[in-house]
Amino acid sequence: NAGVTQTPKFQVLKTGQSMTLQCAQDMNHEYMSWYRQDPGMGLRLIHYSVGAGITDQGEVPNGYNVSRSTTEDFPLRLLSAAPSQTSVYFCATRDRVNQPQHFGDGTRLSIL
Amino acid sequence: TQLLEQSPQFLSIQEGENLTVYCNSSSVFSSLQWYRQEPGEGPVLLVTVVTGGEVKKLKRLTFQFGDARKDSSLHITAAQPGDTGLYLCAGGNNAGKSTFGDGTTLTVKP
Repeated sequence: NAGVTQTPKFQVLKTGQSMTLQCAQDMNHEYMSWYRQDPGMGLRLIHYSVGAGITDQGEVPNGYNVSRSTTEDFPLRLLSAAPSQTSVYFCATRDRVNQPQHFGDGTRLSIL
Repeated sequence: TQLLEQSPQFLSIQEGENLTVYCNSSSVFSSLQWYRQEPGEGPVLLVTVVTGGEVKKLKRLTFQFGDARKDSSLHITAAQPGDTGLYLCAGGNNAGKSTFGDGTTLTVKP
């Protein structure tokens, strides 16, 4: 049982480039979320989804897009990378509201 | 926006000491989770509390949810070096969103 799989684990981009961070889960969880974690800080919610076809914005959505065409996958797209988006990105899933979240191992992204 | 404040931000203690970490908000949460995160990894769940006044124990860790469901505490008895890590609290609402505190970095020295 793989749980939550994030790819890639590391990525370096140049300012202005675009890329997609992948998140896949095999637990059939309805809820999926993307967070970013900056040094010495907690996690800030970027976008989340309560089911296939449904997405909503979190605290810091600017510069990011998401889609949820299947239950299993929730990709995060950076449209035009900026140095301020240098961070560690975590994908998380949960079965139902108020259930604990299961996290992937993160993607470490550096924007030069 | 629901905010969660954790204190202290950093804590360095000797093995065997007790400690308490606090998580406070002006908002009411339907549930609150405590996670522990080690460097290079994602957060791992320690406990979920959902009822005001609820107390849960996990070996040497005691978690309490405030009566009004706005605050929580984590108490560790006889801390060990293996307890070292970043402790995060997260409050959930009925819309499926979670708000995280900025974390408490705990270092337990042998």
